[in-house]
Amino acid sequence: EVQLVESGGGLVKPGGSLRLSCAASGFTFSSASMNWVRQAPGKGLEWVGRIKSKLDGGTEDYGAPVKGRFTISRDDSKKTLYLEMNSLKTEDTAVYFCVRSNSGSHWGQGTLVIVSS
Amino acid sequence: DIQMTQSPSSLPASLGDRVSISCRASQTVSNFVNWYQQKPGKAPRLLIYAASGLQSGVPSRFSGSESGTDFTLTISSLQPDDFATYYCHQSYSVPFTFGQGTKLEIK
Repeated sequence: EVQLVESGGGLVKPGGSLRLSCAASGFTFSSASMNWVRQAPGKGLEWVGRIKSKLDGGTEDYGAPVKGRFTISRDDSKKTLYLEMNSLKTEDTAVYFCVRSNSGSHWGQGTLVIVSS
Repeated sequence: DIQMTQSPSSLPASLGDRVSISCRASQTVSNFVNWYQQKPGKAPRLLIYAASGLQSGVPSRFSGSESGTDFTLTISSLQPDDFATYYCHQSYSVPFTFGQGTKLEIK
């Protein structure tokens, strides 16, 4: 069974940093393109970014609102996806979901990040 | 960036109704369109991939179709479990983008 479990969310002040993790199991993590998607309270879904598999080049892409502030990385030996978030803004407050594949076949339960002073 | 214009934003319907939700892409996305269902407090669930592929485990009353840059999700006969919010999504080119969502409500 595919499982994605996010962790690392919490309350952080504007300008602060946070690192989210997503532990994967039940599929060949190293072969998968992995995405982060977020959802602000009461709002729709917003794509944050993705990282391709190393076999596919391992490159990263980001949405405009987070480009230059967020970094996605992966540790295939640990089957873990990361989202490093810097220079956080109040508008980054959201539930952050880890998502397997570009078609979104499997989602984690999400982890809540609150950016507030 | 590719815009996904989804309509309607709200859809009142009754049990047993046949309903359709539309999504129009601002430029070609080939068939790289996916549809999700989301219930309050839960993660989205993939229903349809590649415009018309039914995800494993999803009931056959859900179907997807495409015509050029127009994509449609159809539920053939609404069941109680179907009242939720639905999103379209293009994974053709980055930045990937979502539609604004359609809230399917009980009439």
